[in-house]
Amino acid sequence: AQSVTQLGSHVSVSEGALVLLRCNYSSSVPPYLFWYVQYPNQGLQLLLKYTSAATLVKGINGFEAEFKKSETSFHLTKPSAHMSDAAEYFCAVSPAQGGGNKLTFGTGTQLKVEL
Amino acid sequence: DTGVSQNPRHKITKRGQNVTFRCDPISEHNRLYWYRQTLGQGPEFLTYFQNEAQLEKSRLLSDRFSAERPKGSFSTLEIQRTEQGDSAMYLCASSLKTGTGGYEQYFGPGTRLTVT
Repeated sequence: AQSVTQLGSHVSVSEGALVLLRCNYSSSVPPYLFWYVQYPNQGLQLLLKYTSAATLVKGINGFEAEFKKSETSFHLTKPSAHMSDAAEYFCAVSPAQGGGNKLTFGTGTQLKVEL
Repeated sequence: DTGVSQNPRHKITKRGQNVTFRCDPISEHNRLYWYRQTLGQGPEFLTYFQNEAQLEKSRLLSDRFSAERPKGSFSTLEIQRTEQGDSAMYLCASSLKTGTGGYEQYFGPGTRLTVT
């Protein structure tokens, strides 16, 4: 069984400040991990993925995440927030083998960027 | 390269009616997934296809739900005798599963269902 916990359903940062969105996972098998972003009334857009290669993963729009097996974490960061980053962010896990690679999502973190 | 498309984008129906949604995946993608997202929650897996074969169904998918993917191209999701609890965003995603990769799923814009 797999699960994802996203700490903080709402995060607010100032424009230009560091963005840190937290994700912890639980998995009985080696996982693949993903971050998606969702803008209002739209589908999900893939930001980045970890699939057992480099533990520090760089994605689109300046985001990156680090896979830490010892902490079962996959936190998302961006050095400098921009107004356009305001959206909902979902962390997701899938089994590396089998299970059809179906995704199990966290409950999401709403990011607000203030001037 | 067109992305995943879903139709309709919005559907309002009365309780007890049947509804059908369509998903057109990215053309060369062999896997197609359906998820359901309710307000304030992350998407939840419903079912997936590899080519035309439906390989897994979630326990969330009651007998009133059926999905098809004829010829391994587009897919339809039908809900019979809709209930108010079916109100949600229904998301479709596709991926190209290869021997060594293709794990990322690309999502469509979703169909928002409102049951009155």
